[in-house]
Amino acid sequence: GENVEQHPSTLSVQEGDSAVIKCTYSDSASNYFPWYKQELGKGPQLIIDIRSNVGEKKDQRIAVTLNKTAKHFSLHITETQPEDSAVYFCAASISRGGSQGNLIFGKGTKLSVKP
Amino acid sequence: GAGVSQSPSNKVTEKGKDVELRCDPISGHTALYWYRQSLGQGLEFLIYFQGNSAPDKSGLPSDRFSAERTGGSVSTLTIQRTQQEDSAVYLCASSKGGGWTYEQYFGPGTRLTVT
Repeated sequence: GENVEQHPSTLSVQEGDSAVIKCTYSDSASNYFPWYKQELGKGPQLIIDIRSNVGEKKDQRIAVTLNKTAKHFSLHITETQPEDSAVYFCAASISRGGSQGNLIFGKGTKLSVKP
Repeated sequence: GAGVSQSPSNKVTEKGKDVELRCDPISGHTALYWYRQSLGQGLEFLIYFQGNSAPDKSGLPSDRFSAERTGGSVSTLTIQRTQQEDSAVYLCASSKGGGWTYEQYFGPGTRLTVT
């Protein structure tokens, strides 16, 4: 089955710097890659996603890149702010015919942005 | 509008007891997912309901775990004869439809502690 590896497990940056989180996946049939942000005591919230027919997607300070050949995708946060501090999860999903889109998650990256 | 709600928010139970966890999805969402999040780990898929189709139970870790969804809305996850390794946060998510096209919205989770 699909396996998603995520690095680093913890990341500390100064406010205003950029943060990059990387994930690799094992199943080349994976075609949907969302990123979730989880704040303390809350459920994960989708912040950006990318599908396999796209190489890069941006939304203000957040961008995601996908390299299908290498089977890895990355989250880039620019001009980090203290409120970006949270645990970030990458995930991959396979949808074949009538199969469902259950997500396979990485183990998360705890991002700390120091003011 | 109202998001996904889960109850209870916290549950402490003795080893060997049965527990029931409840999930109220967003109104109109046909797909419902249960995940387990152990300390320092990513989210582990448990079970998936889509409309009137038979649920995908492929993620359930043992036959002590079961779930049902009544009337296509509220879902209950039941863990029988709880063990200490069942301690985790149990997250429910719903989406407008099944498959990777649809964003999954997560509830705040139920923190289960088995003593």
